[in-house]
Amino acid sequence: QQPVQSPQAVILREGEDAVINCSSSKALYSVHWYRQKHGEAPVFLMILLKGGEQKGHDKISASFNEKKQQSSLYLTASQLSYSGTYFCGTETSNYGQNFVFGPGTRLSVLP
Amino acid sequence: NAGVTQTPKFRVLKTGQSMTLLCAQDMNHEYMYWYRQDPGMGLRLIHYSVGEGTTAKGEVPDGYNVSRLKKQNFLLGLESAAPSQTSVYFCASSYSGGSNSNEQFFGPGTRLTVL
Repeated sequence: QQPVQSPQAVILREGEDAVINCSSSKALYSVHWYRQKHGEAPVFLMILLKGGEQKGHDKISASFNEKKQQSSLYLTASQLSYSGTYFCGTETSNYGQNFVFGPGTRLSVLP
Repeated sequence: NAGVTQTPKFRVLKTGQSMTLLCAQDMNHEYMYWYRQDPGMGLRLIHYSVGEGTTAKGEVPDGYNVSRLKKQNFLLGLESAAPSQTSVYFCASSYSGGSNSNEQFFGPGTRLTVL
């Protein structure tokens, strides 16, 4: 079942912060985050695993609340290059055979 | 390394025609996926493969077939194209389906239009 993302879209000024949320009705094993720029392929940002292990980079971080079946992506001091559509993807087991993407959150960073 | 490549990049078909999309990866990944992405929507999984010689249905498999005869290649076939199959098709691969390292690497996409 597809996870829910909020907000659907957000507009920021350069330097502002943003939070994108992803929630599922099922117990999650992991949550992935990807960013897709217009006309390009999605690019992996990070994965959050059940149990707290986290990967990430730069000024983008994320949290994973297993009990609430939710994840949040935090973009700090946003840059123009952060613009794009952010997708979360969820797994309910570690067998990798039930991966589902959310509908996406469109982020626009203005100068 | 080329990563994940897709052939062709663009294609226009008439209703009822058939075609095959080719995906190739040079990262020795076990898992491969085919997604479709419609305007303003997320990626929906069509079929996937957990290894050479294996395939499985995803969320929207109807009207598509796949084959994984070689580990590095994953083919998506449309036997009788319909306008509803107009979409951008992305192929992806990952080292394994387990969450230790299953970051998905995407190809550049194939834009298909069915008239």
